[in-house]
Amino acid sequence: TAGITQAPTSQILAAGRSMTLRCTQDMRHNAMYWYRQDLGLGLRLIHYSNTAGTTGKGEVPDGYSVSRANTDDFPLTLASAVPSQTSVYFCASSDRGNTEAFFGQGTRLTVV
Amino acid sequence: GQNIDQPTEMTATEGAIVQINCTYQTSGFNGLFWYQQHAGEAPTFLSYNVLDGLEEKGRFSSFLSRSKGYSYLLLKELQMKDSASYLCAVMDSNYQLIWGAGTKLIIKP
Repeated sequence: TAGITQAPTSQILAAGRSMTLRCTQDMRHNAMYWYRQDLGLGLRLIHYSNTAGTTGKGEVPDGYSVSRANTDDFPLTLASAVPSQTSVYFCASSDRGNTEAFFGQGTRLTVV
Repeated sequence: GQNIDQPTEMTATEGAIVQINCTYQTSGFNGLFWYQQHAGEAPTFLSYNVLDGLEEKGRFSSFLSRSKGYSYLLLKELQMKDSASYLCAVMDSNYQLIWGAGTKLIIKP
């Protein structure tokens, strides 16, 4: 069982460039989330989607966009990367909003 | 504002018992989660409490007091593989998870 898969695993990106982080789940979960995790801080929600076709802003949405064209995929796009977006990004999904979330393996992004 | 507090780091001995505390102040409450995260890996689910009391699952137990805004994770018979960060998260009134910064648990032989 694949569960939830992120790509790439790691990336070094030049400032000002754009990039899309991919996330795919095969559990048919309705809700999907993008978090960033920085040293000393908790996971911070960037964007979420409660169901295909809908998205919402989390705690730190600026500089990021998402789409949810279908149940399985939830890509995160950085339109013009800045060094402060250097972080580990986790995609997660849950069956409903109030059940446990399953996480992808993370994408380590360095913006230089 | 919303806030989750847990100790930054704890050290314990193999075979012993350790309690990791979590206090929270959130807008609404729809449950509290504990996750384990090994270095360089993704968080994995440990427990969920929505009612007051103790939930036991093998060597791990989690306690909740909603009136005190308090939870703890109890780990018994510690093993070296329990060395990890333990994340406390509260689901608020909008069903969004608010995360603590995590407690790094170091197990010594």
